[in-house]
Amino acid sequence: DIQMTQSPSSVSASVGDRVTVTCRASQGISNWLAWYQQKPGKAPRLLIYAASSLQSGVPLRFSGSGSGTDFTLTISSLQPEDVATYYCQQAKSFPFTFGPGTKVDIK
Amino acid sequence: QVQLVQSGAEVKKPGASVRVSCKASGYTFSRYGVNWVRQAPGQGLEWMGWINAYSGNTNYAQKFQGRVTMTTDTSTSTAYMEVRGLTSDDTAVYYCARQGSNYIEGSDYWGQGTLVTVSS
Repeated sequence: DIQMTQSPSSVSASVGDRVTVTCRASQGISNWLAWYQQKPGKAPRLLIYAASSLQSGVPLRFSGSGSGTDFTLTISSLQPEDVATYYCQQAKSFPFTFGPGTKVDIK
Repeated sequence: QVQLVQSGAEVKKPGASVRVSCKASGYTFSRYGVNWVRQAPGQGLEWMGWINAYSGNTNYAQKFQGRVTMTTDTSTSTAYMEVRGLTSDDTAVYYCARQGSNYIEGSDYWGQGTLVTVSS
């Protein structure tokens, strides 16, 4: 199975700050990676697919990059509504494993 | 609009089984797959398995092999997941999510979640 790790496990930043979350796969997955946002008590929401493609309706302040084993989710200007936990997931091969999540909140 | 509507919360005793349903609307059900994902209280997301809604082909996480069965009914555009031999560790919110035939596209629509509580 492909293992996914994320760092940091949590981050606290001010409104307007740039926030970066990193995801690493235990083996190369090309760009078969998605990012999800989950707010408390809600279902996850797809933000980014194919490592860097923005899902329809997602604000442009979200972006993804990377290929192979190392990936990044960037929030260019943190907004109060971005407080959530962010998960990466690989879709290169079954099982479609998730990372452990990164909790983002406002300082 | 695309919607996935799941069945309501369940309370089960250890050793029992539970079946969660996920009714799809707003798209051609048989053209997509369905992922099942669970989340224990305060924990992260755990992928359980996938089913091709048209063929019924499945792929389960090793952890759930032999204890979980995923099925679909294309006549009602509904996916089902059954978990047998429940323990307290199975207490979680269970989600269904639409998966495109191109896996790289991720799971773009999710159900609202079904809380399954296992308690004696």
